Amino acid sequence: EVQLVESGGGLVQPGRSLKLSCAASGFTFSNYYMAWVRQAPKKGLEWVATISTSGSRTYYPDSVKGRFTISRDNAKSSLYLQMNSLKSEDTATYYCARADSSYNAYWGQGTLVTVSS
Amino acid sequence: DILINQSPASLTVSAGEKVTMSCKSSQSLLYSENNQDYLAWYQQKPGQFPKLLIYGASNRHTGVPDRFTGSGSGTDFTLTISSVQAEDLADYYCEQTYSYPLTFGSGTKLEIK
Repeated sequence: EVQLVESGGGLVQPGRSLKLSCAASGFTFSNYYMAWVRQAPKKGLEWVATISTSGSRTYYPDSVKGRFTISRDNAKSSLYLQMNSLKSEDTATYYCARADSSYNAYWGQGTLVTVSS
Repeated sequence: DILINQSPASLTVSAGEKVTMSCKSSQSLLYSENNQDYLAWYQQKPGQFPKLLIYGASNRHTGVPDRFTGSGSGTDFTLTISSVQAEDLADYYCEQTYSYPLTFGSGTKLEIK
């Protein structure tokens, strides 16, 4: 059974950093692209980042480019999202997802990040 | 960037009724080399994470009931629920994965009378 478990969310002040983690199990992690998708409270879904199987290629929307960094450790079956220079508009639930042929086929339960002073 | 216009924003139907919702893309999502449309539909029930329903515009994901049907190609896509059940109460989102940045529609909220 595919399982994705996010952790690392919490309350953080504007301008500070936070690192999210996603522990994967139930599949061969190194065979899949992985992604982060977020959802602000009562709002829709927003794609945040995607990483290739080896980690050599990463993709971001302009809203987070230069501030967020996606990475992975295939030996640990883990995905990460380093978030720097956080803004209030980054407040959201962050979901880790397995990207099957570009579609987010499996999702974690999410971890809430609140950016506030 | 590819813009996705999803409609309606909300709809209310009775159990057993047929429902259709639309997703229109600002440019074609059809990749000519494999004749595949890069459009997905997701369902998000209240308090839950999203789940993939349809990929490639018309392919049901594993375990998705056959009352859910995706159709369309190019720039116009439709999600149809043939006979709505109470458990289908949810928000539905489409997403284009044709090119980066990946973009979602704003969602359709389905309510059951």
